[in-house]
Amino acid sequence: EIVLTQSPGTLSLSPGERATLSCRASQSVSSSYLAWYQQKPGQAPRLLIYGASSRATGIPDRFSGSGSGTDFTLTISRLEPEDFAVYYCQQYGSSLSITFGQGTRLEIK
Amino acid sequence: QVQLVESGGGLVKPGGSLRLSCAASGFTFSDYYMSWIRQAPGKGLEWVSYISSSGSTIYYADSVKGRFTISRDNAKNSLYLQMNSLRAEDTAVYYCARSIGPFDYWGQGTLVTVSS
Repeated sequence: EIVLTQSPGTLSLSPGERATLSCRASQSVSSSYLAWYQQKPGQAPRLLIYGASSRATGIPDRFSGSGSGTDFTLTISRLEPEDFAVYYCQQYGSSLSITFGQGTRLEIK
Repeated sequence: QVQLVESGGGLVKPGGSLRLSCAASGFTFSDYYMSWIRQAPGKGLEWVSYISSSGSTIYYADSVKGRFTISRDNAKNSLYLQMNSLRAEDTAVYYCARSIGPFDYWGQGTLVTVSS
């Protein structure tokens, strides 16, 4: 099973600032099958990024993903008030064992 | 538009059973793989199970293998999760999600509480 470790656990920033979230895998994620989700309280997760760097439908271009192998990054270029939420990475390279990171909470400073 | 609506959650005693349903609309259900994902209160996301579009390929997380059964009825545009031998640690919100590799659409979730 591929273990995903997200850092930091909590990130405190102000609107307008740049956010950089990290996701490290215990082994290489095949074909960059890495996704990012945003979850707000009381809501289901929303797909932001798939294939490590492709934005899902309707996702603003301030969200971008990068990385390959074992190191991946989600960047939010300029934080909007609605971006404060919990973010999860997920690997789907193996259908036998799909795993999520433990999440990064992005909070308003 | 794509809609996934879960139902069937509730309070059940340890060792009991529950069957969750997920009604799909707004897309050709029989073309898509589907999954169940759960989230314990205040915790992160855990993938539970996955079923191919025809139902011929199924995978489970080790934590539920042998106790949970995923199935689908393409004629009814519905996904199911039969949960047996429930434990306190199965307490969670259960989401169904459309699988295209990543999970592109999610339902609103249904809460399962396992407690005596």
